[in-house]
Amino acid sequence: DAGVTQSPTHLIKTRGQQVTLRCSPKSGHDTVSWYQQALGQGPQFIFQYYEEEERQRGNFPDRFSGHQFPNYSSELNVNALLLGDSALYLCASSFLDRDQPQHFGDGTRLSIL
Amino acid sequence: ELKVEQNPLFLSMQEGKNYTIYCNYSTTSDRLYWYRQDPGKSLESLFVLLSNGAVKQEGRLMASLDTKARLSTLHITAAVHDLSATYFCAVDMAAGGATNKLIFGTGTLLAVQP
Repeated sequence: DAGVTQSPTHLIKTRGQQVTLRCSPKSGHDTVSWYQQALGQGPQFIFQYYEEEERQRGNFPDRFSGHQFPNYSSELNVNALLLGDSALYLCASSFLDRDQPQHFGDGTRLSIL
Repeated sequence: ELKVEQNPLFLSMQEGKNYTIYCNYSTTSDRLYWYRQDPGKSLESLFVLLSNGAVKQEGRLMASLDTKARLSTLHITAAVHDLSATYFCAVDMAAGGATNKLIFGTGTLLAVQP
């Protein structure tokens, strides 16, 4: 049973560019959440998707957007990249019932030059 | 806005010793999670605490939740080197209703020395 998978593993971009990160949830899960983890810090909630709609959003600018597909997989898009966007981006999947833990993928390490 | 604080931020301990990591949060919530993260790796779920007074144990780790004090503890018994990692607590954003929006603490870096 595959867990949460993310691609790519690593990515290097320059300021001003745009990036798309991808996530496939654990089998059976219907909710996908995205987190940004800066070096030495805890993950910060970006947004969450359920039934192909953004259900909740954290304190991130509109440059961060996402999408969920009918098969529950998801994408995170970041436009106009800034140096401060360099971080590990984690995808987590779960059932909507929050009594279950979220399962995290290995993340995408994004470096902005 | 919900804030989650952990202490200590760094813990160096000898094998065989006991210690406790504390997680305080600022607003009402009745769902708290503990995760472990190894260097360069993702987060692994350790415990899910769903009510006041909840206590969960797995091996040398035991977690508890006091919703009235807005405090959770992760107790380490007879530490071994394999427990070296960063430990995060995460609080669900709201009490009542499903959110799955987790606010993470700053993390506690645990280093167990032989």
